[in-house]
Amino acid sequence: DTAVSQTPKYLVTQMGNDKSIKCEQNLGHDTMYWYKQDSKKFLKIMFSYNNKELIINETVPNRFSPKSPDKAHLNLHINSLELGDSAVYFCASSRRLTQGSSDEQYFGPGTRLTVT
Amino acid sequence: AQSVTQLGSHVSVSEGALVLLRCNYSSSVPPYLFWYVQYPNQGLQLLLKYTSAATLVKGINGFEAEFKKSETSFHLTKPSAHMSDAAEYFCAVSDGRGLTGGGNKLTFGTGTQLKVEL
Repeated sequence: DTAVSQTPKYLVTQMGNDKSIKCEQNLGHDTMYWYKQDSKKFLKIMFSYNNKELIINETVPNRFSPKSPDKAHLNLHINSLELGDSAVYFCASSRRLTQGSSDEQYFGPGTRLTVT
Repeated sequence: AQSVTQLGSHVSVSEGALVLLRCNYSSSVPPYLFWYVQYPNQGLQLLLKYTSAATLVKGINGFEAEFKKSETSFHLTKPSAHMSDAAEYFCAVSDGRGLTGGGNKLTFGTGTQLKVEL
């Protein structure tokens, strides 16, 4: 069984369109994340949600809006897509952490978004 | 602020040779350090992590890494490379304090592409 799953795996769309990417985790984790990996493979965090509450919002254009209907799901909606949005988007999850501890994040397979 | 520097965006080794991927970190507090591997068209998979329990950390697939505070390094090694090790490797750092409300923030290096030749 897939621990962190994303749909779709590939997404090709035109500039100006609105699209969504869905993420689900069955690990029982409380925290979920969205990362963007650019063409040079650089990974940067975009958002983090803990139990449906937004924790991290890393200066991402407000065309990007995460939505968490429950702690097992974190979706990413993108309005008015631009060429520069082309990238691979990864969802990840981790346990809720207490101070002084750290835990690894589990990543989904990624969604390759191509904006033409 | 925390950061990670991976020296060498591309590393090429012969099959059976030693693999050494370099990672240096910067953190104002004791860090937690991770190595992830990304195979083509796949997500990231954790290889190993350092969380202050032991400076030499053993991971999956025969990889290990040593935390050296004096050198602010966390280099990844494997004694004998295999063709299946060809992938992109990422070092990441977390300050381990966790975030108000939960979760932690990982800062990734720019990655090292490992090529294994016959």
